[in-house]
Amino acid sequence: DQQVKQNSPSLSVQEGRISILNCDYTNSMFDYFLWYKKYPAEGPTFLISISSIKDKNEDGRFTVFLNKSAKHLSLHIVPSQPGDSAVYFCAASAGNQFYFGTGTSLTVIP
Amino acid sequence: GAGVSQSPSNKVTEKGKDVELRCDPISGHTALYWYRQSLGQGLEFLIYFQGNSAPDKSGLPSDRFSAERTGGSVSTLTIQRTQQEDSAVYLCASSFARGRNEQFFGPGTRLTVL
Repeated sequence: DQQVKQNSPSLSVQEGRISILNCDYTNSMFDYFLWYKKYPAEGPTFLISISSIKDKNEDGRFTVFLNKSAKHLSLHIVPSQPGDSAVYFCAASAGNQFYFGTGTSLTVIP
Repeated sequence: GAGVSQSPSNKVTEKGKDVELRCDPISGHTALYWYRQSLGQGLEFLIYFQGNSAPDKSGLPSDRFSAERTGGSVSTLTIQRTQQEDSAVYLCASSFARGRNEQFFGPGTRLTVL
């Protein structure tokens, strides 16, 4: 029973354009959401987070948007750079446990 | 060593054997998590340790899986009588405290059960 879903397994974007990664969740009790980035043979690294009391959080080129009514989360990367090519996981939490999506592999084409 | 370390990085074992996976969290981090990622799946929560509290074992898939954390630091995940479906990457993460804190992940242990 996947409580956090990333329906796009892969995404290709031209360098300099916007990358939009999407995530849907089912549990309305989730109150904290995160995005992680993962390179091959490495563990995920934290990118950005958002609390359910907000609908937007921005950090440099990265912005996370939260739509609670739609139970939808998105990560915008602009402008996209080749070094952004990685697998991106969204995660949601209610208490101790964190639930992760299956990841979206982003390729930024130079 | 500033990051979370895990050993071994790769482990190949035969079905039915026991394996132990080790995690060294970041010094001072009181929370420690174990996850596994099977092929094509997301990260699956296994177990959570917080300080001296009883661990949250609700994610362990069967009684063949167990974990301990000695002295509030190093953790060992043990899988007894391994099965082929146990093949996955096992990831450990630590954080300063429970809940809303960034988790720092180790590089993972890739377990292959033949």
